[in-house]
Amino acid sequence: AQSVTQLDSQVPVFEEAPVELRCNYSSSVSVYLFWYVQYPNQGLQLLLKYLSGSTLVKGINGFEAEFNKSQTSFHLRKPSVHISDTAEYFCAVSADQTGANNLFFGTGTRLTVIP
Amino acid sequence: DAGITQSPRHKVTETGTPVTLRCHQTENHRYMYWYRQDPGHGLRLIHYSYGVKDTDKGEVSDGYSVSRSKTEDFLLTLESATSSQTSVYFCAISGLSWGPGGNEQFFGPGTRLTVL
Repeated sequence: AQSVTQLDSQVPVFEEAPVELRCNYSSSVSVYLFWYVQYPNQGLQLLLKYLSGSTLVKGINGFEAEFNKSQTSFHLRKPSVHISDTAEYFCAVSADQTGANNLFFGTGTRLTVIP
Repeated sequence: DAGITQSPRHKVTETGTPVTLRCHQTENHRYMYWYRQDPGHGLRLIHYSYGVKDTDKGEVSDGYSVSRSKTEDFLLTLESATSSQTSVYFCAISGLSWGPGGNEQFFGPGTRLTVL
C-alpha cells in the first residue's frame, strides 16, 4: 500500500509571498501523485497531477509541484499567494496501475493567507 | 465540476438507525468511490466499485456496505449508525466506462452526517 505524509498541518503566509507545502510519500511500486484543494464547505478540486514525464508539473491557479523520486517528495509551490488561496490542501498518491486507482491521502495542510 | 451529486447533503440521525447515502453521476465513469473525511485523518477510502455489482473494501470498511445496481448510482449504507460514523462523506468517480482505470478522481460536494 501507499502512504502520504504532510508534515505541516497549518501554514500561515502573507499575501504576495511565496509558499511551499510539503508532501512525502511511501510506496513499493511506481506511483501517481496529486494535489487537491478544498475550499470551506466544498468538495475537493484537483490542482495538479503527476503521472509520468516531466517532473515539474504545472496546475491551476498558478500552482506547481515537483516530483522527486529519490526523495519521495511532491512539494507544492506558488510564487505569490492571494487571499483566495486560503484553503486546505491535500496531497494524494495512487499506485501506477490500470483498474481502480485508490487514492491515499495525507492529513492535509491548511493554508491561511494573511492580508 | 464533473456531474456528481450526493444526497442528502446533510443528515442527522440517531445511534442504531440505518442510513443510506446516495451518489449519482452523469459522466458514465466506470469507477466510483466512497471516502470519509475526519479532522486529522484526511480522506480515507471506505469502499469502491469497479463496475455494476462489482465492489470491494477500502481502508475503513467496517460498519459500511455498498451497492451499485447501475452505472450512475453508488449507495453507501450504514446498517446501524454509531457516533464514530459522524463524518463528512465524499463520493468520487474516475475512468471512462470503456477505458482503463482513470488516474484522476472527481469528487462530489459531500454529505455531512451527524449520528447522535
